[in-house]
Amino acid sequence: DQQVKQNSPSLSVQEGRISILNCDYTNSMFDYFLWYKKYPAEGPTFLISISSIKDKNEDGRFTVFLNKSAKHLSLHIVPSQPGDSAVYFCAASTNAGKSTFGDGTTLTVKP
Amino acid sequence: DTEVTQTPKHLVMGMTNKKSLKCEQHMGHRAMYWYKQKAKKPPELMFVYSYEKLSINESVPSRFSPECPNSSLLNLHLHALQPEDSALYLCASKDRVLWNTEAFFGQGTRLTVV
Repeated sequence: DQQVKQNSPSLSVQEGRISILNCDYTNSMFDYFLWYKKYPAEGPTFLISISSIKDKNEDGRFTVFLNKSAKHLSLHIVPSQPGDSAVYFCAASTNAGKSTFGDGTTLTVKP
Repeated sequence: DTEVTQTPKHLVMGMTNKKSLKCEQHMGHRAMYWYKQKAKKPPELMFVYSYEKLSINESVPSRFSPECPNSSLLNLHLHALQPEDSALYLCASKDRVLWNTEAFFGQGTRLTVV
């Protein structure tokens, strides 16, 4: 049973446009959500997070939206840049401190 | 210093070998993690250490043996591995084992079992 799902394995967007990456979860005990970015041959790096008591968190070009009733979150990147090309993992945590990751979405931003 | 350093970066070992993976952080974090990641799959949690004590073992086979000698170091001892254990092994650390903090990951050790 996969509790965190990223249904789009890949996404391609033009430089300057918006990238929207989606994530769905099934476990209602998750109350903290994170996005990580991973370049080849490197470990994941933290990008942005959101607590379940919020519905939006913004950090520069990156905004995460949380819809608790739909158990859905999304990451918006605007404007997208070629350096944003990477694999993006959605992760969800319970208050026990364990994080569950989605399968990842490979974002390609074309110049 | 916001780095988590893992050594070696690559490791090839036979099924009868004994080897160790090492992880080091100097951020004063008191929670450290081992993850296993297969190709095109998400990282899967193996072990969690909190204040140098093992707090979570995700039913990992005993051929993987973690060790936390001090608050900065985390080892993963490997013995009698199988080819299906070939994967990227990631170490991560957090300020504390709390749900609402982010993890800092190392670059990983690419392990191949032959």
